[in-house]
Amino acid sequence: QVQLQESGPGLVKPLETLSLTCTVSGGSISGGSYFWTWVRQPAGKGLEWIGRIYTGGSTNYNPSLKSRVTISTDTSKNQFSLRLNSVTAADTAVYYCARCRSNNDFASFDYWGQGSLVTVSS
Amino acid sequence: DIQMTQSPSSLSASVGDRVTITCRASDTVSRYLHWYQHKPGIAPKLLVSAVSTLESGVPSRFSGSGSGTDFTLTINGLQPEDFATYYCQQTYSALCTFGQGTKVEI
Repeated sequence: QVQLQESGPGLVKPLETLSLTCTVSGGSISGGSYFWTWVRQPAGKGLEWIGRIYTGGSTNYNPSLKSRVTISTDTSKNQFSLRLNSVTAADTAVYYCARCRSNNDFASFDYWGQGSLVTVSS
Repeated sequence: DIQMTQSPSSLSASVGDRVTITCRASDTVSRYLHWYQHKPGIAPKLLVSAVSTLESGVPSRFSGSGSGTDFTLTINGLQPEDFATYYCQQTYSALCTFGQGTKVEI
């Protein structure tokens, strides 16, 4: 059974960098054809896709965040990470990591982490 | 961006009821349409993928249907554990998007 778990600081100061890590267990992030994905949900709002990294290393980002986002993998630790620069209060949200199936399987998100609340405040 | 519009945004129902949630896409999404269940503090759960494929372990009271731009999630015989928020999602475009959610309450 694949499991994902987010970790990282729960409080980030404005204009600093938000960094989160997703640890994957029960499967290798370098095996199979998957996109490793980040999604966020501000309080009282809907789900917003942030971006993804393919097993082979290529990335795609939400255009609204592209200038500030980097997603990377650490295969030695079976983890992938999110960095979001120059954060503001609008970046306060619960951040989820998820595994996205390949397009051959219609790219549904079959496993998710429980979420990590990140608050941007001084 | 493909916009996803769910209705209703919330509904009140009783155990045993049949519940229908609709999702409309602003453009065709082919079969790249999925449904998730989300309860507070718990990882979202994939219920139905590719419009109508029930995920392993998901009770058969859940079903999905639709095509093109209009889709439906139906729960036949609502159970206590089904009270949650449900989201549709399209992954047809590279920028995947979610509906705003439908909260199913008692």
